[in-house]
Amino acid sequence: AQTVTQSQPEMSVQEAETVTLSCTYDTSENNYYLFWYKQPPSRQMILVIRQEAYKQQNATENRFSVNFQKAAKSFSLKISDSQLGDTAMYFCAFFEGGGADGLTFGKGTHLIIQP
Amino acid sequence: EAGVTQFPSHSVIEKGQTVTLRCDPISGHDNLYWYRRVMGKEIKFLLHFVKESKQDESGMPNNRFLAERTGGTYSTLKVQPAELEDSGVYFCASSQRHRFSGNTIYFGEGSWLTVV
Repeated sequence: AQTVTQSQPEMSVQEAETVTLSCTYDTSENNYYLFWYKQPPSRQMILVIRQEAYKQQNATENRFSVNFQKAAKSFSLKISDSQLGDTAMYFCAFFEGGGADGLTFGKGTHLIIQP
Repeated sequence: EAGVTQFPSHSVIEKGQTVTLRCDPISGHDNLYWYRRVMGKEIKFLLHFVKESKQDESGMPNNRFLAERTGGTYSTLKVQPAELEDSGVYFCASSQRHRFSGNTIYFGEGSWLTVV
């Protein structure tokens, strides 16, 4: 069974700083998808960024980028120039087509951006 | 365009009672998913509907949980009878396609359930 581990339950940084959230996963599959989701307080969970395992290039979405290390099964999220609106729970998630239909999530990291 | 909506947002019930959670997916989304997050634990997949059919219900914890999607539109998740360990947040999500290439899953805000 796949597992996703987020080792940082909570992080706090100052506005405008860069922060990296860690995520490791375990799978025996070669083709899969990785995701970072963000859930602001009392709001929907939204997709921040995705990475297909067959793509070597790290995904980037504006201030958000990932460091995908397939051999190490690591998928960290870097947030540059952090903003107050980035305060949220961040969930790392995994999906591979041969297993259950749902995403496998980590426990989440509560990120707090301080003014 | 309306997002995925869930009702109720919060519910407090006594052990042994019944609760029904409702999810309205984004219009036109055939795929509907239920997830649950028990406090301090990971978000866990419960089941997946394609239109009105249960495609995968491997995550349903036991037979006290019943999910339906009559007509392939909104879905309900009923817990009967509720136990203390059922407390948590129940998320619903929907998507146009199931496969992830070029596809996005949209989540609702969740329904908080507290069983006392």
